[in-house]
Amino acid sequence: QLVLTQSPSASASLGASVNLTCTLSSGHISYAIAWHQQQPEKGPRFLIKLSSDGSHTKGDGIPDRFSGSTSGAERYLSISSLQSEDEADYYCQTWGTGVWVFGGGTKLTVL
Amino acid sequence: QVHLVESGGGVVQPGRSLRLSCAASGFSFDTSGMHWVRQPPGKGLEWVAIIWYDGGTTYYADSVKGRFTISRDNSKNTLYLQMNSLRAEDTAVYYCARVYGVPSLNPIDIWGQGTEVTVSS
Repeated sequence: QLVLTQSPSASASLGASVNLTCTLSSGHISYAIAWHQQQPEKGPRFLIKLSSDGSHTKGDGIPDRFSGSTSGAERYLSISSLQSEDEADYYCQTWGTGVWVFGGGTKLTVL
Repeated sequence: QVHLVESGGGVVQPGRSLRLSCAASGFSFDTSGMHWVRQPPGKGLEWVAIIWYDGGTTYYADSVKGRFTISRDNSKNTLYLQMNSLRAEDTAVYYCARVYGVPSLNPIDIWGQGTEVTVSS
């Protein structure tokens, strides 16, 4: 079964960097994923598509502070120079044959 | 400018029906696959359904299969979600979203702002 696992919460200080992790289920470690950001009381926004080989495609207007990387079943979203507006929920998404899946989301707090 | 604007949400009794619409602008709607995704109050995102650019292929989450129908009218740049036999657990904000390129190979890249559906007696 295609499943994405995310830690429920993360925190980091203003101006610092943070890595968020999304883990693909066993048997699906070659899948691409996407990261989406949802600021409070807003609709989600596409950030980046991340493939198993580490290649990535960002959404329009997404700052260079946001980047992605891959290691095995892990897909990472890195945010540098944290700003207050980065405080949001972050969801990873993947897709297979006839199925589209979201992770449970990580709530990022900027201290 | 790219826009997706959902409408049609509201309060509905269990067992009743509701149809959501999503008006698209600023991109080639008739070459884009489209999703519906929902978010129950205080919870995460849940994929609901997808339709290919020409309406020829659709898929549904198990939780809505047989009750919900996704469709589109490319002449009106509009996506629809017909929701029948509504249950309390269908209460959520419903988002329409675009997938760029081949739907089975690519993620959502444009989201709407959502429309709220409450199923309650």
